[in-house]
Amino acid sequence: QVQVAESGGGLVKPGGSLRLSCTASGFTFSDYFMNWIRQAPGKGLEWVSYISGSGRTIYYADSVKGRFTISRDNANNSLYLQMKSLRDDDTAVYYCAGGDSPTPQEYWGQGVLVAVSS
Amino acid sequence: SSELTQDSAVSVALGQKVRITCQGDSLRIFFASWYQQRPGQAPVLVVYGENNRPSGIPDRFSASNSGNTASLTITGAQAEDEADYYCNSRDSNSNHVIFGRGTKLTVL
Repeated sequence: QVQVAESGGGLVKPGGSLRLSCTASGFTFSDYFMNWIRQAPGKGLEWVSYISGSGRTIYYADSVKGRFTISRDNANNSLYLQMKSLRDDDTAVYYCAGGDSPTPQEYWGQGVLVAVSS
Repeated sequence: SSELTQDSAVSVALGQKVRITCQGDSLRIFFASWYQQRPGQAPVLVVYGENNRPSGIPDRFSASNSGNTASLTITGAQAEDEADYYCNSRDSNSNHVIFGRGTKLTVL
């Protein structure tokens, strides 16, 4: 049974930092591309970043490049998103999602809320 | 970067067929994937590739592709199909992942 669970969300002030974590089980984590995808309140899905199974291939959306860093620990089936210089428009539910290629994202977590506000 | 264009809203009568489309240049190279998102829930992959369904997805969901257009068809829509539907694919220029803005499906 596949399980994906995000953690680490919360309220942070503009300019602050936050680190999201995602743990997965039920599939061979190291074989899977893992993505962070976010959804602002009342808005659509926005891809943020993905990392290949080996960690050697990484891409970021232009909106977060230079501020966010994706990483993974295959030994612990974990994915991370380090977020710095947070802005109001980073407020969203952040989903961890994986697949055996960059798309489709086959497995999704339930999401974690990040709220950026003074 | 490339974009994927979806109609903002579509409606269908209970039990009827409905098609939701997604257009974009990247679809000439990469297949679309389709996700269903019910209110307050995480997205769920319903169809991907040429026309593949993950385990547990009803066979009333199907996909088709032609040129720069991908389509999700629901044959015999059910009340529980009322949801937002998103397409995505890879951007052929940047290797980024791109999403359409979503289509709100109402089952009448």
